Amino acid sequence: QQPVQSPQAVILREGEDAVINCSSSKALYSVHWYRQKHGEAPVFLMILLKGGEQKGHDKISASFNEKKQQSSLYLTASQLSYSGTYFCGTEDNTGNQFYFGTGTSLTVIP
Amino acid sequence: GAGVSQSPSNKVTEKGKDVELRCDPISGHTALYWYRQRLGQGLEFLIYFQGNSAPDKSGLPSDRFSAERTGESVSTLTIQRTQQEDSAVYLCASSLAGGLYEQYFGPGTRLTVT
Repeated sequence: QQPVQSPQAVILREGEDAVINCSSSKALYSVHWYRQKHGEAPVFLMILLKGGEQKGHDKISASFNEKKQQSSLYLTASQLSYSGTYFCGTEDNTGNQFYFGTGTSLTVIP
Repeated sequence: GAGVSQSPSNKVTEKGKDVELRCDPISGHTALYWYRQRLGQGLEFLIYFQGNSAPDKSGLPSDRFSAERTGESVSTLTIQRTQQEDSAVYLCASSLAGGLYEQYFGPGTRLTVT
């Protein structure tokens, strides 16, 4: 039931853009995105609740295609502070369990 | 108010011993989650408490794991007869009311079983 993320890892130069994808074999009712820096707890970025919804947070935005059971996170003009591991997450159809994706390690270099 | 707190921050125990991990959620948050994160791995869902509803325990890795929550306050995760594969960071998160709200994570408890 764990969502699959791609790519597994990506290295960017400062100022470059990146896209992280999250796909589920099960129906998605909502999608969360979190960033976890090394040795720290995950930190919430955004949540998408409706099919086709897009949201933005500074230069980080996301889309959610309910029909395709996919979500994508877009990072534009990346900054060094964007480095970390990104996780998507979703609850199951019972609402009793919550699954995080496989994770994407993003490294921004000067 | 304060964020999610967890104790202890670090725990080293011998194989076969029992351990108890504690989580204090943000006041007013009815939902509480426990996750396990092995070194270099992702977040593995363990259990979810919502208000006074009985939790779904099917995410717990084995019958050595149990969790309780008193009302909408503190939660404890107990691991009996610890094994080396239990070594991990155990993260607790709370949210206002379940899966449609952001989760706030505690700093975690790093458990090492020797």
